[in-house]
Amino acid sequence: NAGVTQTPKFRVLKTGQSMTLLCAQDMNHEYMYWYRQDPGMGLRLIHYSVGEGTTAKGEVPDGYNVSRLKKQNFLLGLESAAPSQTSVYFCASSYPRGSVYEQFFGPGTRLTVL
Amino acid sequence: GQQVMQIPQYQHVQEGEDFTTYCNSSTTLSNIQWYKQRPGGHPVFLIQLVKSGEVKKQKRLTFQFGEAKKNSSLHITATQTTDVGTYFCAGSTYGGSQGNLIFGKGTKLSVKP
Repeated sequence: NAGVTQTPKFRVLKTGQSMTLLCAQDMNHEYMYWYRQDPGMGLRLIHYSVGEGTTAKGEVPDGYNVSRLKKQNFLLGLESAAPSQTSVYFCASSYPRGSVYEQFFGPGTRLTVL
Repeated sequence: GQQVMQIPQYQHVQEGEDFTTYCNSSTTLSNIQWYKQRPGGHPVFLIQLVKSGEVKKQKRLTFQFGEAKKNSSLHITATQTTDVGTYFCAGSTYGGSQGNLIFGKGTKLSVKP
């Protein structure tokens, strides 16, 4: 099992450009999440999904869109990148193991917007 | 909005010393999880606490959940260089989406050999 994978690992964009980050998991998890991590800010939830075809906003959704067309994939889109979106983006997935919802994280995508 | 505060932000210890990080929530939590992130890595799940007053141990690590389910702590006894990293607490709230977590900002631990 590869677990949670993220593509790409690094990306540099110019202001106004668009891009899509891909997250894939092979653990058949229902729940998937996109976070951003900024220095000193911890992890902040951007969007999440509780199943194929469903998405919902998290704490910091502005400037991002997501899609979950297939259970194993969760895509994060930036339509018009801004320097404030420079961050490390982590995808995670989880499933209920009894009452425990352990989240499994991908390796992250480091995005720089110039 | 709902917040999870974590202190200290940084902790520098000599190898062999103990370390503790504290987590406080503005609201009652249904459960709390702890994660460790090594430098350059991704967060990795350590444990989940659910019951009021719960205490769990993993070797040198002791996790506690407060009686009011608003605070938690992680204590490491006799730190080792392998303990280096950032430790995050993350809480779930009643009424929130199942599985959603509110992360604290983390405590970055450095250990001097």
